[in-house]
Amino acid sequence: GAGVSQTPSNKVTEKGKYVELRCDPISGHTALYWYRQSLGQGPEFLIYFQGTGAADDSGLPNDRFFAVRPEGSVSTLKIQRTERGDSAVYLCASSLRFTGELFFGEGSRLTVL
Amino acid sequence: GENVEQHPSTLSVQEGDSAVIKCTYSDSASNYFPWYKQELGKGPQLIIDIRSNVGEKKDQRIAVTLNKTAKHFSLHITETQPEDSAVYFCAASDFGNEKLTFGTGTRLTIIP
Repeated sequence: GAGVSQTPSNKVTEKGKYVELRCDPISGHTALYWYRQSLGQGPEFLIYFQGTGAADDSGLPNDRFFAVRPEGSVSTLKIQRTERGDSAVYLCASSLRFTGELFFGEGSRLTVL
Repeated sequence: GENVEQHPSTLSVQEGDSAVIKCTYSDSASNYFPWYKQELGKGPQLIIDIRSNVGEKKDQRIAVTLNKTAKHFSLHITETQPEDSAVYFCAASDFGNEKLTFGTGTRLTIIP
């Protein structure tokens, strides 16, 4: 389809493990965002890419979280040494810059046991 | 940083009636205020937005009003239909900042 694609849709892991979440944005969208949504809450900003570089990573909670976008398209969110508190839905969005509208994927639901 | 508060957290209205959701924000530099609708198992989808150079914007049954002096904005849905049932989020940003701060959401239920 033409929308934002996120994989996996569900990921269950054990405390202390490493996980990667992938986002494939809409073709031609130069801006890419990661948000985290806990149950019953609104999305919380994590990081924003303009092209290949992270323009704003001020929302990453700590150094266990890292994201890359090496070719300016697909992005991967990486979480090291997962903790139970990392359990949430991780949303990816893309946009054309300065239009305002974010196009969200359906999210990757991460459960840390 | 920006803080956005949203009320009510849940809202039930009879089909055909109107629904109003209210948000307040804290950062006077914010100038872009979108509203997103999220259906179960889906990502949020933009339904309407407003920038601070206007006080009201309307799109068919949906309207948004903005009061910059009081730092609050509201979503109005008229002639509600069952497909309007969803969770609605308000958000705010300094347009060009690219970082949206979302409210905590309102679960709207339309009663047939």
